[in-house]
Amino acid sequence: QVQLVQSGAEVKKPGASVKVSCKASGYTFSTYAMHWVRQAPGQRLEWMGWINAGNGNTKYSQKFQGRVTITRDTSASTAYMELSSLRSEDTAVYYCARDYEPLRLGLSNALDIWGQGTMVTVSS
Amino acid sequence: SYELTQPPSVSVSPGQTARITCSGDALPKQYAYWYQQKPGQAPVLVIYKDSERPSGIPERFSGSSSGTTVTLTISGVQAEDEADYYCQSTDTIGTYEVFGGGTKLTIL
Repeated sequence: QVQLVQSGAEVKKPGASVKVSCKASGYTFSTYAMHWVRQAPGQRLEWMGWINAGNGNTKYSQKFQGRVTITRDTSASTAYMELSSLRSEDTAVYYCARDYEPLRLGLSNALDIWGQGTMVTVSS
Repeated sequence: SYELTQPPSVSVSPGQTARITCSGDALPKQYAYWYQQKPGQAPVLVIYKDSERPSGIPERFSGSSSGTTVTLTISGVQAEDEADYYCQSTDTIGTYEVFGGGTKLTIL
């Protein structure tokens, strides 16, 4: 079945970087876009950006521009999200989520398959 | 920055109809999506493109749109529907995605 499996929890110090992976299975990885969304404890979901898994093109939320980098490795069917200059406010669960429509039909922005989430804690 | 506004909470009795609204200036031009999230779990897409239901989502979940407000309707609410519900849409010029603040649905 289609699933996304993310890397394990991370604890980082302020100023450090974190890189979260998201391994896809059950479908052709390069034919869908992958989004990243985060959720701080007790807070709303927050969209960070997406990557065209076929050609590697990306778009980022203005809030994270300059601090976030989303990449992919098609040979490993894996997407990555790296966030730098971490601060305590970045403590959150980070999710990858697949776009609902295949890329050939255009980006839908509906997120139909989600990873299990990766808890990132930023603390000195 | 663009915002989507949801009521913080909605309460209904089992078997009744729950309606959760989401307001945003760009909603007449942009599709809305709805997610159900239970504690400790990842969100689940329940409605896309305002009113379409993904496969596997019960028919009691429906969506509608009118002007700057979209509505998620759950008919014949069941205990298992108790969860947080988030709307999502795109800003006016289609540059970024935004989520609403979430609505906690309580089954009395």
